[in-house]
Amino acid sequence: NAGVTQTPKFRILKIGQSMTLQCTQDMNHNYMYWYRQDPGMGLKLIYYSVGAGITDKGEVPNGYNVSRSTTEDFPLRLELAAPSQTSVYFCASRKGGIVRDTGELFFGEGSRLTVL
Amino acid sequence: KQEVTQIPAALSVPEGENLVLNCSFTDSAIYNLQWFRQDPGKGLTSLLLIQSSQREQTSGRLNASLDKSSGRSTLYIAASQPGDSATYLCAVRPNWGGGSNYKLTFGKGTLLTVNP
Repeated sequence: NAGVTQTPKFRILKIGQSMTLQCTQDMNHNYMYWYRQDPGMGLKLIYYSVGAGITDKGEVPNGYNVSRSTTEDFPLRLELAAPSQTSVYFCASRKGGIVRDTGELFFGEGSRLTVL
Repeated sequence: KQEVTQIPAALSVPEGENLVLNCSFTDSAIYNLQWFRQDPGKGLTSLLLIQSSQREQTSGRLNASLDKSSGRSTLYIAASQPGDSATYLCAVRPNWGGGSNYKLTFGKGTLLTVNP
């Protein structure tokens, strides 16, 4: 059972470049999240999705875009990368849906991005 | 706005010691609270999840308690081992209903070092 899979694990970008962080889950979870984690700052929510075709902004959405065309995939797009986007990015998912779930959140291994 | 605080930020103990990690939150209207473990360079692994109606949850040497009225949770680790060295984070999910239900609020974590 793969759970939540993120690619790539590491990436170095130049300022102004664009890229997409991939996230896929095989647990048929409805809710998916993108967080960034900076030293001493905790996890900050970038975007989230409650189902295919539905996305919404979190605390720090500027400079990012997401899409959710399928239940499984939730890619995060960085346009015009800036040094401030140097961080570790985590994708997470939970069951959610009409029936209350336990609320347990499952995380991917993370994608470490450096913008130079 | 929910705020989650974890004290201490770092803790170093000798092997075999029993220890308690603390998590406090400002808004008691929570649906559940989840404890995670994060190893260096890795993602977050769920340890225990306590629903708002529960007082505690146990898994092996770990016991998490929840006092919703006082806005506190503790993670008790018995007979600590060097392999327990990691960062421990807690996260709270607000009550069902309202858009904020989808979003967890994380503490910044406690870095635990267990010395052989």
